[in-house]
Amino acid sequence: DVKVTQSSRYLVKRTGEKVFLECVQDMDHENMFWYRQDPGLGLRLIYFSYDVKMKEKGDIPEGYSVSREKKERFSLILESASTNQTSMYLCASSPGTGERNTIYFGEGSWLTVV
Amino acid sequence: GNSVTQMEGPVTLSEEAFLTINCTYTATGYPSLFWYVQYPGEGLQLLLKATKADDKGSNKGFEATYRKETTSFHLEKGSVQVSDSAVYFCALRNNAGNMLTFGGGTRLMVKP
Repeated sequence: DVKVTQSSRYLVKRTGEKVFLECVQDMDHENMFWYRQDPGLGLRLIYFSYDVKMKEKGDIPEGYSVSREKKERFSLILESASTNQTSMYLCASSPGTGERNTIYFGEGSWLTVV
Repeated sequence: GNSVTQMEGPVTLSEEAFLTINCTYTATGYPSLFWYVQYPGEGLQLLLKATKADDKGSNKGFEATYRKETTSFHLEKGSVQVSDSAVYFCALRNNAGNMLTFGGGTRLMVKP
């Protein structure tokens, strides 16, 4: 089975702190994604990466950056956390393109910024 | 651009009731359509998918048919169980792309 692991399930951070959310997948997938989930808004794409050291902005990249130094690991960085970034963050990965390109999700990281 | 609209919840049903969660979409070309389920405290799991018009996706008693003429992909189940209580997300992906566009999610609560 594909496994997408998010290292932290629950975090509480202070406003202005730098926050790292880590994600690792074990299936040699090309693509990795970070989504944010908020009630009534569904999932919104923050950033995605289709290769090592490559990244593309999603729908809501402001206030976030990402790093993909190794194929299996994709990190989401909040340079200076703010209260409006309190949310559930979901990492995902997929093997490539085309009809068989199923996207697999991690269990999510609940971030509270106080 | 792409968009997905699904019915707002919560949807509250008694066990063994019939379930429909509506989903309509706007997209260019011929997208693939998905239903994901999120159980409490967990991430999203793929429930079913359909990749072309008139395809029917099915899994765990749930079904959805890709209707191009009405741009819809409604989720149905004939007899829900308490264990089906979760949030359900409809999503689409253009076959040339890698990314999913999600609806807002519908919370289903099934009472014994």
